[in-house]
Amino acid sequence: EVQLVESGGGLVKPGGSLRLSCAASRFIFNNYTMNWVRQAPGKGLEWVASISGGSDFIYHADPVKGRFTISRDNGKNSLYLQMDSLRAEDTGVYYCVRDVGDLAEYFQHWGQGTLVTVSS
Amino acid sequence: DIVMTQSPDSLAVSLGERATINCKSSQSVLYTSNNKNYLAWFQQKPGQPPKLLIYWASSRESGVPDRFSGSGSGTDFTLTISSLQAEDVALYYCQQYYTTPYNFGQGTKLEIK
Repeated sequence: EVQLVESGGGLVKPGGSLRLSCAASRFIFNNYTMNWVRQAPGKGLEWVASISGGSDFIYHADPVKGRFTISRDNGKNSLYLQMDSLRAEDTGVYYCVRDVGDLAEYFQHWGQGTLVTVSS
Repeated sequence: DIVMTQSPDSLAVSLGERATINCKSSQSVLYTSNNKNYLAWFQQKPGQPPKLLIYWASSRESGVPDRFSGSGSGTDFTLTISSLQAEDVALYYCQQYYTTPYNFGQGTKLEIK
């Protein structure tokens, strides 16, 4: 069964930085597009960023563009989200999500999430 | 951006009855070259990550009970639970994956009447 384990969340002050990681296992990592999706407390789901298997295609949502960077290390079966210039509105659970394939299609598998809290 | 709007925001249905959730996209998510609607449905229970139920608007994910079905095309879609079970109490989201940003609907809260 696909495993996605997020880490790196925590409490950070506004303007600070965090780097989230997602350790993937039980599938051939570089064959899949990967994504980050977040959920503010008590709110809905918001797509954050996507990266193709070979890192050829990278997309970020407008609210995080220029502040967050998605990346991956296929040798380590890991996905990352570098988050800089954090704001209170970035607070929420961040999910690592695997596509069904490498063609930017539907989100098939979700990790349990890691909580990011931006507060002074 | 494609805006996804679900209705209703909340829904209370008796056990064994049918539940219907609607999702409307601000522009078509039907890709004419392959005749596929780039629309998915997710279920989220408290404290859990979302779970994929339906993809391509009407294809059921492996392991999802057949009481869940999806329909629609273009801009109007429906998730139907044919006979509500207690374990179906959850939030339900639609999402388009036709183009970035891959927007979700605001969610529909399904409860037992």
